[in-house]
Amino acid sequence: ETGVTQSPTHLIKTRGQQVTLRCSSQSGHNTVSWYQQALGQGPQFIFQYYREEENGRGNFPPRFSGLQFPNYSSELNVNALELDDSALYLCASSFFLGDYGYTFGSGTRLTVV
Amino acid sequence: AQKVTQAQTEISVVEKEDVTLDCVYETRDTTYYLFWYKQPPSGELVFLIRRNSFDEQNEISGRYSWNFQKSTSSFNFTITASQVVDSAVYFCATSRPRDDKIIFGKGTRLHILP
Repeated sequence: ETGVTQSPTHLIKTRGQQVTLRCSSQSGHNTVSWYQQALGQGPQFIFQYYREEENGRGNFPPRFSGLQFPNYSSELNVNALELDDSALYLCASSFFLGDYGYTFGSGTRLTVV
Repeated sequence: AQKVTQAQTEISVVEKEDVTLDCVYETRDTTYYLFWYKQPPSGELVFLIRRNSFDEQNEISGRYSWNFQKSTSSFNFTITASQVVDSAVYFCATSRPRDDKIIFGKGTRLHILP
């Protein structure tokens, strides 16, 4: 088991730009969820992907979008970055839908200036 | 709506002391899950425990124990004989069966002082 790997670890972007964050899920896991964790807050659910389809979405605007690939890796895309998008973005994978034994990655720290 | 409240923002204790982290949850569901996660400085969330709403048995795992009380909607976490390596942010969380998301509290930052 290699765990969940996220890249990059840190990123600085300018307001208005677009960003893509990447996540390699743990071997055998077909479900990926993304969370946003602002400083001093708990993680907030962005969306979940199961077998390349979006399975659920939290209270985030459409400029947050994602993809899941046939190998179950995933991307989180954010368009038109705002200062409030500065956060730690966590990816979590699980064996199957409804399995709460999530394995979390170490996250990508995004700073928008 | 589901909600988790961790009233303790930050706690500091001296090594070897026992410490309890409080968690109060709100839900209208009769069936739900409760979780605790640990977040060390490296950032990843480490799963500690999951409890089902119909199982109020307390659980002990080594130095960790959990007290689930439906009557007070609480799911408290106790670390016995704390160690410096226990220093981290701890999150209590809840979810519904077949739901796609976990609802986290704001976390309690725990400092274990040598």
